Amino acid sequence: DAKTTQPPSMDCAEGRAANLPCNHSTISGNEYVYWYRQIHSQGPQYIIHGLKNNETNEMASLIITEDRKSSTLILPHATLRDTAVYYCIVRVAGTGNTGKLIFGQGTTLQVKP
Amino acid sequence: GAGVSQSPSNKVTEKGKDVELRCDPISGHTALYWYRQSLGQGLEFLIYFQGNSAPDKSGLPSDRFSAERTGGSVSTLTIQRTQQEDSAVYLCASRNTRQGGYEQYFGPGTRLTVT
Repeated sequence: DAKTTQPPSMDCAEGRAANLPCNHSTISGNEYVYWYRQIHSQGPQYIIHGLKNNETNEMASLIITEDRKSSTLILPHATLRDTAVYYCIVRVAGTGNTGKLIFGQGTTLQVKP
Repeated sequence: GAGVSQSPSNKVTEKGKDVELRCDPISGHTALYWYRQSLGQGLEFLIYFQGNSAPDKSGLPSDRFSAERTGGSVSTLTIQRTQQEDSAVYLCASRNTRQGGYEQYFGPGTRLTVT
């Protein structure tokens, strides 16, 4: 699975959009981009995933560049409860694949009042 | 519905003792994963189950670690002759592969402390 690079930490003001970048320059054509987050003392939580089109759900939006070498997770209106470590993971999806997740160090997002 | 549950939530054991950690996945989820997170470290994959078989055990750090799954449901992670470096939070996750589910649902973890 492709390696990802994320900034170690970011701050965001409450109510503002949080934009979390991720570089995955060696991504393959059949690899998806996944985002999970881990709030302190809890298990990781799935946020969103995508292949090449931008995706949006109730939690966030995922913007993937046309060359797929990077992506941005957007939390449109960050709240204090969004303070967490955010993990960008790239892996192959589909049947026959184990689906195991290889976590990097992630980005610690601190939402400030 | 109920999420992934793990027990115990905390376990303190003496070095050299064996421990068993339990995971109850979401009902109907065929895939089950064990991960661990050591203090200051990231999450690392340990083992993957599809049904009762474990096609990927590549993350188990030593032969002191083993896991089984019965009835396609409950899984137990066993650590024999525990060492202090085994201290970590052990996380279990499950996934619904029958419906092509991409999302892994994680439990709250078991915090293991080896003294």
